[in-house]
Amino acid sequence: GAVVSQHPSWVICKSGTSVKIECRSLDFQATTMFWYRQFPKQSLMLMATSNEGSKATYEQGVEKDKFLINHASLTLSTLTVTSAHPEDSSFYICSAPKTDSYFSYEQYFGPGTRLTVT
Amino acid sequence: AQSVTQLGSHVSVSEGALVLLRCNYSSSVPPYLFWYVQYPNQGLQLLLKYTSAATLVKGINGFEAEFKKSETSFHLTKPSAHMSDAAEYFCAVSGYTNAGKSTFGDGTTLTVKP
Repeated sequence: GAVVSQHPSWVICKSGTSVKIECRSLDFQATTMFWYRQFPKQSLMLMATSNEGSKATYEQGVEKDKFLINHASLTLSTLTVTSAHPEDSSFYICSAPKTDSYFSYEQYFGPGTRLTVT
Repeated sequence: AQSVTQLGSHVSVSEGALVLLRCNYSSSVPPYLFWYVQYPNQGLQLLLKYTSAATLVKGINGFEAEFKKSETSFHLTKPSAHMSDAAEYFCAVSGYTNAGKSTFGDGTTLTVKP
């Protein structure tokens, strides 16, 4: 199977500081990765599409200057929450797509990162 | 454009009873459909997927789902619920392009009573 890791699994930071979250595809290459945000008891909200070698594509309403995405290699994408505030506290999940035998995409999800801003 | 509607934000069943979680989709192209399970503070795990090969799809942990184009549905079932099935379930739809960019339903919380 395909494995996607995230680091850290949880982080607590002070208001005004920046936090970087890593998403790695461990055994396959991913030119695209997706970043989601999930509030308690809610669904996943797509924040942005991370593209290796080019700029990320942000969903409407997501501040690209606040949520910086860098797809540094074919196996690593990072999400940096800049000048974090308590309202940024959430569960952040990434996914990386891989084509299956039917040439359709299957998403492999990371375990998530719990961010708490105090 | 794609969308997913999960009917019933909470479903409660007794252990051993049938599990039925409902999902209806809307898609302008033939869809790929997925069911995922999420346990607290974890990522999503794929239960099963429909990619046009067969309308009745069997997944892990005894779950299955049937794609019904006429009803635009992809309901998830399991004949006999187990306590370990208690979790959050998400239905999702994607197309052929955009690296499988998916749209998720709001989720259904499954509670299993002893």
